[in-house]
Amino acid sequence: AQKVTQAQTEISVVEKEDVTLDCVYETRDTTYYLFWYKQPPSGELVFLIRRNSFDEQNEISGRYSWNFQKSTSSFNFTITASQVVDSAVYFCALSEAGGGSQGNLIFGKGTKLSVKP
Amino acid sequence: DAGVTQSPTHLIKTRGQQVTLRCSPKSGHDTVSWYQQALGQGPQFIFQYYEEEERQRGNFPDRFSGHQFPNYSSELNVNALLLGDSALYLCASSLKDRVDLKNTGELFFGEGSRLTVL
Repeated sequence: AQKVTQAQTEISVVEKEDVTLDCVYETRDTTYYLFWYKQPPSGELVFLIRRNSFDEQNEISGRYSWNFQKSTSSFNFTITASQVVDSAVYFCALSEAGGGSQGNLIFGKGTKLSVKP
Repeated sequence: DAGVTQSPTHLIKTRGQQVTLRCSPKSGHDTVSWYQQALGQGPQFIFQYYEEEERQRGNFPDRFSGHQFPNYSSELNVNALLLGDSALYLCASSLKDRVDLKNTGELFFGEGSRLTVL
């Protein structure tokens, strides 16, 4: 069965600190996709990144970076020099590939990040 | 370029009633998925519609049904409402690859419809 675990329920940091959000996943598929979404108080889930299971290269986008390690089934997300606007709930998600199954995302329970000025 | 729009944004119903939620996908998208997000939880997949048919379904009872129209918009219907149906209902749109029917990229989500059942 597929499962996503985000062990950190809430994290609070002070502005300009670096913060890492952990994500561990379980799947028996060899081909799958991993995602991170941000959910601000408005409720809309904002797409941050998609990574397929064959691409273990780490990615950096501005202050955001992602570390994908298949050996530990982890897909961690780091925000460098956090800002108040980063305050939101962050979700890690997993989907299997093939057969039109994308769109069925398995989400973790989310990590609520609070960045204080 | 309009994103995913959902209506209504908030609504209150009583147990046993029925509710219909609506979703217009992002321009150019042909696939709509619905998710239920209970307070403090991650979204859970309800079902996905493509070419006006339900293509995939999550672990939800038959009280949850849907429809997709020729213009790709979609409705989610919930009958015989229970207190536990209170949640944020999120609609997400995407584009299916015509060749192998895989979604080509990320899902775009609307802001959701917050349903309260009293």
